[in-house]
Amino acid sequence: AQSVTQPDIHITVSEGASLELRCNYSYGATPYLFWYVQSPGQGLQLLLKYFSGDTLVQGIKGFEAEFKRSQSSFNLRKPSVHWSDAAEYFCAVGAPYSGAGSYQLTFGKGTKLSVIP
Amino acid sequence: ETGVTQSPTHLIKTRGQQVTLRCSSQSGHNTVSWYQQALGQGPQFIFQYYREEENGRGNFPPRFSGLQFPNYSSELNVNALELDDSALYLCASSLDGTHGYTFGSGTRLTVV
Repeated sequence: AQSVTQPDIHITVSEGASLELRCNYSYGATPYLFWYVQSPGQGLQLLLKYFSGDTLVQGIKGFEAEFKRSQSSFNLRKPSVHWSDAAEYFCAVGAPYSGAGSYQLTFGKGTKLSVIP
Repeated sequence: ETGVTQSPTHLIKTRGQQVTLRCSSQSGHNTVSWYQQALGQGPQFIFQYYREEENGRGNFPPRFSGLQFPNYSSELNVNALELDDSALYLCASSLDGTHGYTFGSGTRLTVV
């Protein structure tokens, strides 16, 4: 069965500083990988996804992530954090169903990001 | 295009009661999944429907059941509510799983 580990429960950065959120996954084949963001009391918004191809993925709001198969990692990065980025971030792995064209998502426990003005 | 809408946004139920949560998929999406998110945790997969048939289920008991209708809207039913069922329930839709899943804002269920 697949699993996702987000080692950092809470990260605090200063506005304008760079950000890296860590994600490690366990899955027997090439996974589908995702990062979602959740503001308090809200649903999840997709930041970016990796299905195949180029291992450096660009997303919305200036975020990017790099898939490293050898390290089973999919870390999220942003060069300059804005106060509005404060939220909870979830990494997820998708396990495809054979022939159905769909998959279930397994999420990590999330990393809460706080931004200091 | 409209996104995924869920109703109600909040509700309070008593232990032992039954509840139905509703989800309207994003236009054109034929796949809907339901997730349970307990406080301070990541979402956990409950089940998924693809073209009106359940095609995947997580580690949840049979008292969690669902339906997907011909217009691809969906319901999540939970019988014999327990205190631990208190959580945010998220619905997500997709077109054949491509391009990722779009999530709704969720229904906050409190069981007392």
